[in-house]
This record gives sequence, C-alpha cells and structure tokens, in this order.
Amino acid sequence: GAVVSQHPSWVICKSGTSVKIECRSLDFQATTMFWYRQFPKQSLMLMATSNEGSKATYEQGVEKDKFLINHASLTLSTLTVTSAHPEDSSFYICSATRIAKNIQYFGAGTRLSVL
Amino acid sequence: DAKTTQPPSMDCAEGRAANLPCNHSTISGNEYVYWYRQIHSQGPQYIIHGLKNNETNEMASLIITEDRKSSTLILPHATLRDTAVYYCIAAPYTGANSKLTFGKGITLSVRP
Repeated sequence: GAVVSQHPSWVICKSGTSVKIECRSLDFQATTMFWYRQFPKQSLMLMATSNEGSKATYEQGVEKDKFLINHASLTLSTLTVTSAHPEDSSFYICSATRIAKNIQYFGAGTRLSVL
Repeated sequence: DAKTTQPPSMDCAEGRAANLPCNHSTISGNEYVYWYRQIHSQGPQYIIHGLKNNETNEMASLIITEDRKSSTLILPHATLRDTAVYYCIAAPYTGANSKLTFGKGITLSVRP
C-alpha cells in the first residue's frame, strides 16, 4: 500500500539551532504534501501546504520564515524549523495525497524537543 | 469544509463490534466522509471514506445515512489494538490540494 515516510522520528536539539524533517512518498508521486503540528492532548493543526516546484502556502498564524518548507521533487518535502525554541517542541506530521485513490496518507510523525 | 461532531469518547468490549457515530449535518454534495484513527504517538492512519454509498474494506465498514447528515464507522470485531482516537472528517475532493481539517475526534477504548 501507499506509504509516507518521515525522518527522523524524534529529535532533541538545543535552543537556537535548526532542525530539518524529511517527508517522502515511497511508492507514489505527490505534487502536494501537507505539514501538521500537534501539541499534547490536542488535535492536528495544518501548518502549511507544500507544492512541488513552488512556494509553500502557510496557514494563518504560522511564521513562514521560521518554518521553511522545500518541496524539491515529487517524492520529497522538507520542513526546517529555524532557530528552534522550547515553544516549538511538538509533534510534526506530514501527509501526501495519492490522487488516484483520493486518499491522504500520513507519516509516522517527528517528535521535536527543544531544550 | 463541513464541520463534524463526534462524542468525546466511548468504549466497547474486545471482540464486539464498535459503532462510532459522526454528525455532519451541513455536509455539501461534493464532500466525502473520511475516517482516520490515531494511535498514541503515531501519525493518523487512513481507515475508509465514502461519498453516499456504504463502504467496506478490510478494516471497517462505513454506513452513511441517505440524507448524508450522519455516518457510522463500524469495527466489526474490536481488539485492544483498536484503542485510538478516531477522526471523522468531511472534505471535498479537489485533487492533490484537498485539505483535511481535524476535530477532536472520539477516543475509543477497547476493554479486555
């Protein structure tokens, strides 16, 4: 079946450093991928829509200069959290739509802890 | 996207059917009903989706009322591993750009 791979699964970093998270569609091409964030005991919140070959579209309230998104190929999107701070600690999840099946598949998520 | 409402939680006994309800009274004609579940500390897992006909796959069955204002996800033989938060989402199919808006979902607890 369709699989979306996300790496790393967890990361711990010091405040002020940048962290890159990769999202790959393993057996289908994805012109669009999505990035979500989930805080403890809350639901998923869409952060941005990543479009292959063009700029990402950010949801209201999400700082585009802090959360850099690059969608360089039809199977890879990356989210870079720049100058991370403790309040950026969260569970980040990506997804991609398999158009032929009209289904959005999700990665396993990346747990970010900023010390 | 149409808003969906789900009870906050429910439980069922292992081996029995779990019937998870969802209301989507403002759903529009081009919106599908999607069900996902999220097991603790994992990404959401797709379960099933439908437009107006009932659907069944290896994981579950989806029953949509004729007026499409509500639906029920049925797990025919719940196991302990089915304990998760289940999300019912109404979303149009607009190709690759279709966004999914997650509500609070319903927490299903399967008891031994």
